[in-house]
Amino acid sequence: KAGVTQTPRYLIKTRGQQVTLSCSPISGHRSVSWYQQTPGQGLQFLFEYFSETQRNKGNFPGRFSGRQFSNSRSEMNVSTLELGDSALYLCASRQDPSYGYTFGSGTRLTVV
Amino acid sequence: AQSVTQPDIHITVSEGASLELRCNYSYGATPYLFWYVQSPGQGLQLLLKYFSGDTLVQGIKGFEAEFKRSQSSFNLRKPSVHWSDAAEYFCAVGVPDTGNQFYFGTGTSLTVIP
Repeated sequence: KAGVTQTPRYLIKTRGQQVTLSCSPISGHRSVSWYQQTPGQGLQFLFEYFSETQRNKGNFPGRFSGRQFSNSRSEMNVSTLELGDSALYLCASRQDPSYGYTFGSGTRLTVV
Repeated sequence: AQSVTQPDIHITVSEGASLELRCNYSYGATPYLFWYVQSPGQGLQLLLKYFSGDTLVQGIKGFEAEFKRSQSSFNLRKPSVHWSDAAEYFCAVGVPDTGNQFYFGTGTSLTVIP
């Protein structure tokens, strides 16, 4: 079984730009969540999607958005990038809520 | 509010020594409990999980964890640490009444001395 695939692995953007990150979950996993990881704040929950519906949302500004497609693939978008958005963005999928997450390797976003 | 506490930010052990990483949670009922490991620049890998039943659970790479309800703890242990165990370790809880939303601890960084 292929794991959780995140693309791209690395990204450099300029302040004010927007970015879209992609996540392909493990086949059969309908739940996809996104996390932001920074040295200062640790792992922070962004949002969770299940069957194309956002089920939970973390405490992030509206510049952070996401969606899930019918094949369970998910994208997250960050608009009007700020320097503080530089982080490792992790996607994770699970079969259903009673299971643990399987994480992707992440997308390292650097905002300059 | 739910919370997960990993009181040790950084731990250093000698190769071959035993290891215990602490995790405490705050939640009214018994949540689902997990330990993950993260190597530099990588995602998180699931080491083990507890849902119910036997309070001592075995995981991959020789790790085990014990759930103690009375102490709201889920400590991770390994009898003999290998140099390759150096990494960041995260405890997480899944809270059933929030659709099993995950809450992560702040992590414990493990250094292994030869």
